[in-house]
Order: sequence, then structure tokens, then C-alpha cells
Amino acid sequence: DTAVSQTPKYLVTQMGNDKSIKCEQNLGHDTMYWYKQDSKKFLKIMFSYNNKELIINETVPNRFSPKSPDKAHLNLHINSLELGDSAVYFCASSQGVLAGTDTQYFGPGTRLTVL
Amino acid sequence: AQSVTQLDSHVSVSEGTPVLLRCNYSSSYSPSLFWYVQHPNKGLQLLLKYTSAATLVKGINGFEAEFKKSETSFHLTKPSAHMSDAAEYFCVVSRMDSSYKLIFGSGTRLLVRP
Repeated sequence: DTAVSQTPKYLVTQMGNDKSIKCEQNLGHDTMYWYKQDSKKFLKIMFSYNNKELIINETVPNRFSPKSPDKAHLNLHINSLELGDSAVYFCASSQGVLAGTDTQYFGPGTRLTVL
Repeated sequence: AQSVTQLDSHVSVSEGTPVLLRCNYSSSYSPSLFWYVQHPNKGLQLLLKYTSAATLVKGINGFEAEFKKSETSFHLTKPSAHMSDAAEYFCVVSRMDSSYKLIFGSGTRLLVRP
């Protein structure tokens, strides 16, 4: 019974391609997030959606577009992939929007390698 | 502004000895503080969190952390390390009242020697 799942787990692709990563949560949470973890293990939030509405959009290139078809899903589409996009991408979810009090539950991550 | 500093990038202990992972934070607001653990090739799991209740917070797997406002610290401890504790540990800060974001530290890799 995976709480937050991501597909694929590994993604290897060429520069310039377009790819998507899917995320689903079965916790009944209202808020979902995408994080990027770089090669030095540094984690930073990219986007957050609450009830399918965007509430956080950090300084992320507009080649990255999140899409939330419903509360349980938050997909990440990346256009024109670049070498610097290589990273591990984590999806997370929480019941509410307050990061200070609402525990976030993380998926297993998707390791993206751009060649 | 908020930030968090993990003072050690690597900590190595022998199995059965105490663990201390250090974290200092900076926050203009009342902070919420968390420790997350990431085992190799896995997602992050919440170990414990501080949100203005007791300053000594107990978490899973025998870990605990103490919030010390005067020292702006939130160090993670465990009395006796187990081999399964080997992982990356992240100290995280947020605002207690109205923040949408977690701010992560750079992580501490815990190595446990047999």
C-alpha cells in the first residue's frame, strides 16, 4: 500500500527531449509538491498544488510544467531537457498547506539522467 | 528569512555507540523544525518534528532531538547506533504560523561501523 508513488523510478534520456514524471498519492491529501535533489543531495521545492491549484512556484525554468488532473495526482512535464536537469525528483503530499505543521510524505524519487 | 546549517557532512560511529547529528537554524519567526532520514535510493521519511510543544521531541527508531532557542540548535541524538541507521539525515526548518515551504539543510551522512 504505497502512500506516495512515482513513475518511472529511473529515466534516462537525451538532451532536447520532452519527458514526464507521474506522481500519485492515496492518502487523501489536499496538497502535493515536487522537489529537486541535486548531485550534492541538496533538496529544494519546485512547485506545490493545493486542491489542484498552484500555490508555490519557485524560480524554476518554464520548461518545467506541473499538471494536477485531480487532488491525488501531480505530474511533472519537462520540455527541452538539459544536462543540468539531471537530478532526483521527489513528489510529496500533505493534508494541509502549512509546511510548519502539516507533515509531508515523500515518494521514492525519480532519478533523471540527461545525456 | 530562514536557513538551516548542518555542521557535519559526514559522521561515523561504531555500532552501539551514541549518535549526535548537529543542526543550527536561523529564523525570524517561530520555527518548526524537522529531521528527515533518507536511506539509499529511497524517499525521505519523517523522523520527528518540533512545533512549539515540548522542547525534547521523541521520534521513531529511538531518535530524539532537543530544541534550544538560546543556542538556535536542534541536534539529533540516539543513545545506541544500529547498522540500519546508516543513511542521510536532513534537518529542515519552516515557519510555524504561515509558511508553505520547507527549507532543507545540506544533509549529514551517517556511517555506522560494525
